[in-house]
Amino acid sequence: ETGVTQTPRHLVMGMTNKKSLKCEQHLGHNAMYWYKQSAKKPLELMFVYNFKEQTENNSVPSRFSPECPNSSHLFLHLHTLQPEDSALYLCASSNRGREVEQYFGPGTRLTVT
Amino acid sequence: AQKITQTQPGMFVQEKEAVTLDCTYDTSDPSYGLFWYKQPSSGEMIFLIYQGSYDQQNATEGRYSLNFQKARKSANLVISASQLGDSAMYFCAMREGNSNSGYALNFGKGTSLLVTP
Repeated sequence: ETGVTQTPRHLVMGMTNKKSLKCEQHLGHNAMYWYKQSAKKPLELMFVYNFKEQTENNSVPSRFSPECPNSSHLFLHLHTLQPEDSALYLCASSNRGREVEQYFGPGTRLTVT
Repeated sequence: AQKITQTQPGMFVQEKEAVTLDCTYDTSDPSYGLFWYKQPSSGEMIFLIYQGSYDQQNATEGRYSLNFQKARKSANLVISASQLGDSAMYFCAMREGNSNSGYALNFGKGTSLLVTP
C-alpha cells in the first residue's frame, strides 16, 4: 500500500459517541497533519506533528484529541462532538525541514447527528 | 485576515482550451511557498505545482504552469489543453511555518472548474 491512507472513509456518529479516525503514511515522512474541510470554507489546519511531537494546535476544541504513536500513524479521537463538526477530515504528511508538498489522504467524511 | 484569495468560485472551459485560475496572497514573510492542489469529487487533495518565493522562473509541471507575479502577490494557475478529467476543485495554498514546526498550509476557498466537451 502506498501514499497516505485514512480509515474509515465515512463515519456517522451521535453527539454522545466516541470514535477515532486513523491515518497512516507509507512515504517515510516525519511530519503529519490534520485538516478540517467544511462546506464553503477553506481547509483549516487543526494539528501538526513532527517526529511524534505535537508542534501546533490551532485552537481546536478539546473534543478533538490527536495522537501520534509513531511517525507513520496519526489518530484523531472524537468525543461529544457537535453537528457543526460534520466535515471532511483530511490527513497529510511531509518531510520536516524541506520545502516540499504535503501528501494528502482521501479523507474521512464525518457526519454528526 | 484571509491570506489566500481565490476570487473565482466557479469556472467553465471547453475541452482542449487553456484556463487560468486566479490566486492572490498576503504575507510579510520574505520566504514562502505557493502550492496548487486539485480535489476531485473523491475528496483526495492532489498536489499539482509548487513555486518558491525566491524562484526566478515560473514553475511548470506538464500541462500546469504557475504565473508568479511577486510584486502583485499573485500566483495564478494555468492549465493548458484542458481535459474532461480536469473537472474538480482547485485550491491555492501558501506555506507558513518553519523547519522546526513543520510546514502548515493556508488554503484559499477554492475554484470549481468544469471542463465541457
